[in-house]
Amino acid sequence: GDSVTQMEGPVTLSEEAFLTINCTYTATGYPSLFWYVQYPGEGLQLLLKATKADDKGSNKGFEATYRKETTSFHLEKGSVQVSDSAVYFCALSDPVLTGGGNKLTFGTGTQLKVEL
Amino acid sequence: SAVISQKPSRDICQRGTSLTIQCQVDSQVTMMFWYRQQPGQSLTLIATANQGSEATYESGFVIDKFPISRPNLTFSTLTVSNMSPEDSSIYLCSVEDKPLNTEAFFGQGTRLTVV
Repeated sequence: GDSVTQMEGPVTLSEEAFLTINCTYTATGYPSLFWYVQYPGEGLQLLLKATKADDKGSNKGFEATYRKETTSFHLEKGSVQVSDSAVYFCALSDPVLTGGGNKLTFGTGTQLKVEL
Repeated sequence: SAVISQKPSRDICQRGTSLTIQCQVDSQVTMMFWYRQQPGQSLTLIATANQGSEATYESGFVIDKFPISRPNLTFSTLTVSNMSPEDSSIYLCSVEDKPLNTEAFFGQGTRLTVV
C-alpha cells in the first residue's frame, strides 16, 4: 500500500538557519503530494502541494519539489523564523487507489523548534 | 476554501462511556473523512463518511466502535463507543470541497482523554 516516510524530529534550529525536512513516499499510481503544518493548539493547515512530477510547491518561503525519480518531496526554507515552530506532516493522495477521493496518507510528522 | 467547525474541542470521559463528535462545514462538500491522531503519532484515517449510505471504514476500524452519521452534505458525526484509555487521541474531521483530489481541509480537532 501507499506510505510516507519523513525524518524524525524534533528538529531544533536557530532563527535564520536553513531548513530541510526529508520526505519520501511509495505509491501505486501517480499521487499528489502535500505538506501540512500544525501550529501549537491548532488544526492542520495545507502549507503547499504538488500534483505531478517536477512541480514545485511554495508558500510562506517554504518550497518542495516533486521528484519522481527519487520518490521524494523534501521541504525546504532558506531562513526560518521562531513563528515557523510547528509540526510538519508530509502526505500523499493517490486518486487511482482512492477512486478520486482525497483520502490522505500521512507521514509521522516532524516537530520543528526555532530558537532566537 | 471550506471552514470546518468541530465540537467539542476537548473532553475528558470515563471509560465505558461514549462521546459523539460533530463536524459542521460552511458549504456542501462531497467527501468527509474522520482521522485519529494518537499521542506523538501521525494521522490515521478511520473512515469516509458517505452521505445517504453507510460509512466506509479502513482496516482496523469497525462501525460498532466508531459509528458515523452523514445526514446531509454539510454535517457529520463520529461516535467513539465504549471508550478505553487507548482511545485517548485527537480526532479530526476533514473535507474535500471539490472532487478529484484538490485539497483537504481540516477541523481543529477534538482532544479526547479517557480516564
